[in-house]
Amino acid sequence: DGGITQSPKYLFRKEGQNVTLSCEQNLNHDAMYWYRQDPGQGLRLIYYSQIVNDFQKGDIAEGYSVSREKKESFPLTVTSAQKNPTAFYLCASSSDIQETQYFGPGTRLLVL
Amino acid sequence: GNSVTQMEGPVTLSEEAFLTINCTYTATGYPSLFWYVQYPGEGLQLLLKATKADDKGSNKGFEATYRKETTSFHLEKGSVQVSDSAVYFCALSGSGGSNYKLTFGKGTLLTVNP
Repeated sequence: DGGITQSPKYLFRKEGQNVTLSCEQNLNHDAMYWYRQDPGQGLRLIYYSQIVNDFQKGDIAEGYSVSREKKESFPLTVTSAQKNPTAFYLCASSSDIQETQYFGPGTRLLVL
Repeated sequence: GNSVTQMEGPVTLSEEAFLTINCTYTATGYPSLFWYVQYPGEGLQLLLKATKADDKGSNKGFEATYRKETTSFHLEKGSVQVSDSAVYFCALSGSGGSNYKLTFGKGTLLTVNP
């Protein structure tokens, strides 16, 4: 089945720790995105990538980093600089930057 | 900048009732408009979309019409089911150089009771 997978479903972070959220797609999409969702809020764009080896900051990139070494993978690292990391993180992809975005099932990050 | 305003919830309906969730937007140019649905604990699923004025998107009994004159994209369904209980998000994509960027409303929680 084609789709977007995210892992883990739940992730716990300790103070001062970096954690990495996985996002994989087998849709052969060029563009991938990371969003953050807070309770009662819409989604906010963290980073996006139009193509392999390229990525750009979104609206709330501070405290996050990404890489795009393979077309199918776009991992997000939440660094210790992100002071309020507790949220639901959603990965999305689209065939290209102008096309409809499709979302993965999400990862919920909690701070211990 | 672009913005999306959708009716605040929660909305509670009985099964087979008529549903309207209002969505209005502010945008430059000619954005595409979307409704996404999020079931509890899950990611977003695309429900329907419209890419130009007067287009009607439809899926699973839901409909929304792109009204440029009123800058609206209201979601409707004639007869809701318990399984429609979810959070619904209205969104628009930018136009021109920022057409990658989705701007979301805050979401409307719908609960359908049997």
